[in-house]
Amino acid sequence: DIQMTQSPSSVSASVGDRVTITCRASQGISSWLAWYQQKPGKAPKLLIYAASSLQSGVPSRFSGSGSGTDFTLTISSLQPEDFATYYCQQANSFPPSVTFGGGTKVEIK
Amino acid sequence: EVQLVESGGGLVKPGGSLRLSCAASGFTFSSYSMNWVRQAPGKGLEWVSSISSSSSYIYYADSVKGRFTISRDNAKNSLYLQMNSLRAEDTAVYYCARDLTSQPWLVSNFDYWGQGTLVTVSS
Repeated sequence: DIQMTQSPSSVSASVGDRVTITCRASQGISSWLAWYQQKPGKAPKLLIYAASSLQSGVPSRFSGSGSGTDFTLTISSLQPEDFATYYCQQANSFPPSVTFGGGTKVEIK
Repeated sequence: EVQLVESGGGLVKPGGSLRLSCAASGFTFSSYSMNWVRQAPGKGLEWVSSISSSSSYIYYADSVKGRFTISRDNAKNSLYLQMNSLRAEDTAVYYCARDLTSQPWLVSNFDYWGQGTLVTVSS
């Protein structure tokens, strides 16, 4: 199975900061990577798919990049509503065996 | 508006069974692959199972293979998860989620999620 390693596991940041979260796959997954945001008690929300495509309705301050094994989610200017936990997810393998990263909690500094 | 509403969760003893349902509305259910994803209390996300639009392709995580069965009824716009031989480690919130892909043999990313239903396995 493909393992997904996210870093850091948590980050403290202030409103207006630029925040970068990384995700590394244990083997190449081309661009088959998505990012989700989850707030406490709520379902995850898709932010980015295909490594860099912004899901409809998601603010443009969110961006994704990378291919192969190394990927990045960037929040260009952190807003109060962005404090949440972020997960990466790969969907490259066949037969499918979807895996998520361990999550990165973005906290208020 | 796309809506996914899970039901059927609850408290069950180890070794017991439970059937989860997910009622879909606001989109053409029969055109999309669907998934179950779970989250243990305070933990991360774990994909459980996927079923293609016509039920031709079904996939399971190794952790549930042989114990869980995914199914769907396109006439009723509903997704199901039959869970047997439940273990303490199956305790989690179970979400149904719509798949983004148009390729029925693939599992990709999940663009709409329900609110989840809690399954607790305990004696």
